[in-house]
Amino acid sequence: KQEVTQIPAALSVPEGENLVLNCSFTDSAIYNLQWFRQDPGKGLTSLLLIQSSQREQTSGRLNASLDKSSGRSTLYIAASQPGDSATYLCAVPQPYGGATNKLIFGTGTLLAVQP
Amino acid sequence: KAGVTQTPRYLIKTRGQQVTLSCSPISGHRSVSWYQQTPGQGLQFLFEYFSETQRNKGNFPGRFSGRQFSNSRSEMNVSTLELGDSALYLCASSFTDSDEQFFGPGTRLTVL
Repeated sequence: KQEVTQIPAALSVPEGENLVLNCSFTDSAIYNLQWFRQDPGKGLTSLLLIQSSQREQTSGRLNASLDKSSGRSTLYIAASQPGDSATYLCAVPQPYGGATNKLIFGTGTLLAVQP
Repeated sequence: KAGVTQTPRYLIKTRGQQVTLSCSPISGHRSVSWYQQTPGQGLQFLFEYFSETQRNKGNFPGRFSGRQFSNSRSEMNVSTLELGDSALYLCASSFTDSDEQFFGPGTRLTVL
């Protein structure tokens, strides 16, 4: 059974700092991994999708890496801003059971960027 | 291109009532999935539809049901509401399998 873990559960940093969020998964048979952000009471916003054949994906100040063999992904945020404050979630598709888009989510990292 | 839309955005019901939530995926997307999010349980998968067929169902009681129409719009229904059904209900759509998934803003259901 696929399990996804995110460390740390919460993080508080001063504005301008570079930071890394971690995501671990137990079953390496994944097609892709997706990072989302969620603002309080809102839906999920897709940040980055990394296909299993990729090692990295970048979007603006965000860079996500994927190491399938070790079951890990990291989300790097450069020059953090108060507007980056949100909960960050990683998710992988269920690895077995036929064609599916069912996502297995991590528990999230609550990020607070202090001005 | 319009994103995923969900209606209504907020809903207040009393125990025992039933409710129907609607999700309109991004144009051209054939896959729609539903999730329940609560502070204690996080995001839990409800069901998934692809081209009007339910492909997967989460571990929820039979009071939770759904369907997908030929235009890919989806509805979920919860009958005999319980206090514990209070949650944010999110739907996601994607074009095909192993594709990027996009979420709607959610429907906040409060059961009194």
